Amino acid sequence: EAQVTQNPRYLITVTGKKLTVTCSQNMNHEYMSWYRQDPGLGLRQIYYSMNVEVTDKGDVPEGYKVSRKEKRNFPLILESPSPNQTSLYFCASSLWSGNEQFFGPGTRLTVL
Amino acid sequence: GENVEQHPSTLSVQEGDSAVIKCTYSDSASNYFPWYKQELGKRPQLIIDIRSNVGEKKDQRIAVTLNKTAKHFSLHITETQPEDSAVYFCAVNSPPDTGNQFYFGTGTSLTVIP
Repeated sequence: EAQVTQNPRYLITVTGKKLTVTCSQNMNHEYMSWYRQDPGLGLRQIYYSMNVEVTDKGDVPEGYKVSRKEKRNFPLILESPSPNQTSLYFCASSLWSGNEQFFGPGTRLTVL
Repeated sequence: GENVEQHPSTLSVQEGDSAVIKCTYSDSASNYFPWYKQELGKRPQLIIDIRSNVGEKKDQRIAVTLNKTAKHFSLHITETQPEDSAVYFCAVNSPPDTGNQFYFGTGTSLTVIP
């Protein structure tokens, strides 16, 4: 089944404790992206990747890191999480940038 | 960067009526305009999209129109049904030479009253 998976789905952590949210797709997509969704703000792009070893900042990259060592995986890293990073996070992938994005199920992160 | 505005933020319609949601954008070079539907507790899913070389696209009860001159595009849902109740997001994709980023509107919560 073609899909985008994210783990974990729910995470409660404390300020400053490094965490990684994994994202994987099995559709051989070139373009992958991370978004955060906050009430009243819609979806805001954090980072995106056009292909392996190519990553670029989106609108709200501060406090986040990503890597794209393999085509299928695009992990989101929070080196030192803070309470303002409490949000719902979605990973997405598409064949190329100007194409339908398929979203993962979301990760609800709470930073205390 | 791109600035996307979406209106209205909430919309209630009677079942069977039409619903229209409008988005404006700022970068005239933007070239891909998708609409996503997000049901409560679910992930966003594409319902229709349009590219800059097309003025209108229709898929059954859903249509999207694009006015490049005025830099706005609209989602039209006809004969609305209760299952159309959801949050709808417009998005704009900037072209490769300016970043390949996606910019989303802030969403419209549509309620279809049976």
